[in-house]
Amino acid sequence: GENVEQHPSTLSVQEGDSAVIKCTYSDSASNYFPWYKQELGKRPQLIIDIRSNVGEKKDQRIAVTLNKTAKHFSLHITETQPEDSAVYFCAASNNNDMRFGAGTRLTVKP
Amino acid sequence: SAVISQKPSRDICQRGTSLTIQCQVDSQVTMMFWYRQQPGQSLTLIATANQGSEATYESGFVIDKFPISRPNLTFSTLTVSNMSPEDSSIYLCSVDGQISGNTIYFGEGSWLTVV
Repeated sequence: GENVEQHPSTLSVQEGDSAVIKCTYSDSASNYFPWYKQELGKRPQLIIDIRSNVGEKKDQRIAVTLNKTAKHFSLHITETQPEDSAVYFCAASNNNDMRFGAGTRLTVKP
Repeated sequence: SAVISQKPSRDICQRGTSLTIQCQVDSQVTMMFWYRQQPGQSLTLIATANQGSEATYESGFVIDKFPISRPNLTFSTLTVSNMSPEDSSIYLCSVDGQISGNTIYFGEGSWLTVV
């Protein structure tokens, strides 16, 4: 089955700096890669996703890149703000069989 | 995305008892999923629930411990049976995105504490 590894487990940045979270996956058949943000006491919320036929996708300050050959994908947050502080989960999916990374706790210091 | 409602949102349960979590979706969905998130951990799929068939359980989860019902295309229940403190977790109902495909949207979760 699919195995998703996520790094780093914790990340602390200064407000305004960029943050990058990286994930690798094992199943070459995976074709969908979402990212979720989970604030304390709340459910995971989808923030961006990318499908296997695309190498990069951007939505305002958030971007995701995918390298299918190397089986890794990354989340990039630019101009970080304190409200970006949360736990971020990557996931990889093949036909609704979705597996999650272990999560990254991002802290943005004002 | 679909609106997903879960009940209860929180509960404190006695060891050895069972609790049923309900998940209601505002539109018909083919696939519903139940996840567990233990404190400080990631999300682990318990089972996939399709209407009209038995749930499919992931490795490490069994029907006797986590019976699931899926009576129609908008509703599912997950029961956590014979609870122990190790079952203290957030239990999340989720559905696939239908139109967008593969996208998973989560309910607000049920925070269970077993004492």
